[in-house]
Amino acid sequence: SQTIHQWPATLVQPVGSPLSLECTVEGTSNPNLYWYRQAAGRGLQLLFYSVGIGQISSEVPQNLSASRPQDRQFILSSKKLLLSDSGFYLCAWSPPRTGGLYEQYFGPGTRLTVT
Amino acid sequence: QKEVEQNSGPLSVPEGAIASLNCTYSDRVSQSFFWYRQYSGKSPELIMSIYSNGDKEDGRFTAQLNKASQYVSLLIRDSQPSDSATYLCAVNKKSGYNKLIFGAGTRLAVHP
Repeated sequence: SQTIHQWPATLVQPVGSPLSLECTVEGTSNPNLYWYRQAAGRGLQLLFYSVGIGQISSEVPQNLSASRPQDRQFILSSKKLLLSDSGFYLCAWSPPRTGGLYEQYFGPGTRLTVT
Repeated sequence: QKEVEQNSGPLSVPEGAIASLNCTYSDRVSQSFFWYRQYSGKSPELIMSIYSNGDKEDGRFTAQLNKASQYVSLLIRDSQPSDSATYLCAVNKKSGYNKLIFGAGTRLAVHP
């Protein structure tokens, strides 16, 4: 079965500090990978998605970036955090199918507080 | 108009009743529809998927899809306090990749 991991689970960082969040998926090959952010009491905002190693597409302009150095590893980064970067960061994966099923499965998330 | 709309709630139902959660979407060519459950402080969990018009049942959950009306719903029979959560509707946006558009969610409260 497939498992998705995220770390750290919680993070408190000062404004202007760098950020690195990691996501790994087990039990599948060539998954589509996604980073979402959920602000308190708000919906899910898609930040980045990736269909393969080194292939990153950005959905929203911001001070965040993403990388996919390995097939099942997805990293979210920032050089300088803003207060508005606080939120619940979720990594998700979906099977690399075409047509039909497009379900996504979420990791446990990282709760980031920028102070 | 939002691409996926849900009533934010809270929807309050007594234990044992049927909870009915609704979702409308704007992209007529959408093909896949999903319901996620999100407990407070946790990540969303996929509970139902539906692709064809009509009903799909899984245990106490029934998803209903009406593509002509661009409407998808989730029924929860015999609601339990453990069903209290936010329910997110997600719709596949037909494009060159697998992208889901999420509604803001409906908060369900089941009271004993």
